[in-house]
Amino acid sequence: SQQGEEDPQALSIQEGENATMNCSYKTSINNLQWYRQNSGRGLVHLILIRSNEREKHSGRLRVTLDTSKKSSSLLITASRAADTASYFCATDKGNTPLVFGKGTRLSVIA
Amino acid sequence: DAGVIQSPRHEVTEMGQEVTLRCKPISGHNSLFWYRQTMMRGLELLIYFNNNVPIDDSGMPEDRFSAKMPNASFSTLKIQPSEPRDSAVYFCASSPSRSSGELFFGEGSRLTVL
Repeated sequence: SQQGEEDPQALSIQEGENATMNCSYKTSINNLQWYRQNSGRGLVHLILIRSNEREKHSGRLRVTLDTSKKSSSLLITASRAADTASYFCATDKGNTPLVFGKGTRLSVIA
Repeated sequence: DAGVIQSPRHEVTEMGQEVTLRCKPISGHNSLFWYRQTMMRGLELLIYFNNNVPIDDSGMPEDRFSAKMPNASFSTLKIQPSEPRDSAVYFCASSPSRSSGELFFGEGSRLTVL
């Protein structure tokens, strides 16, 4: 399975700190995406990184991809209480649907 | 655009009853996906459609589950008969194309089977 696995399962930090979440996957991929899910809501797309890219930024988000290690990381800088949510990585092989990991639950304490 | 619209948001039913979940994708999106989310198994893909045609239903757990997409603006996921282990949040998502990348999710239908 190419399912991504996020690490850690849960993370609790103070507001203003940086949060780093990791994702590992098993097979070669075309794209890797990160999604966010607030409690009781649907998933919302954050960022997509292609297999030929190594790093991507979007606002306070920084995503890295290491295809040799089959891993990705999501960094949220200067975290806020509103960043409290679950974060999922998802992978695809091109013309295949996304396969999601089980997510990291992030709690940002004000 | 209103986004992906799912109904009902919450459904409580008794074992053996038929359950129908509904989804309206974003207008112009050609691909539609049904996922199921549980604490134990995370997000699982059940089935997806491209241009209203089912492409892969290998994730549908049993014959009790069926999905249809009669037109580009409507899809249903039916469970008959329902069982307690079907309790989960069911998400519909749409995408401009099968390989465009980003999925747009609805808010989900939380199903509880007693």
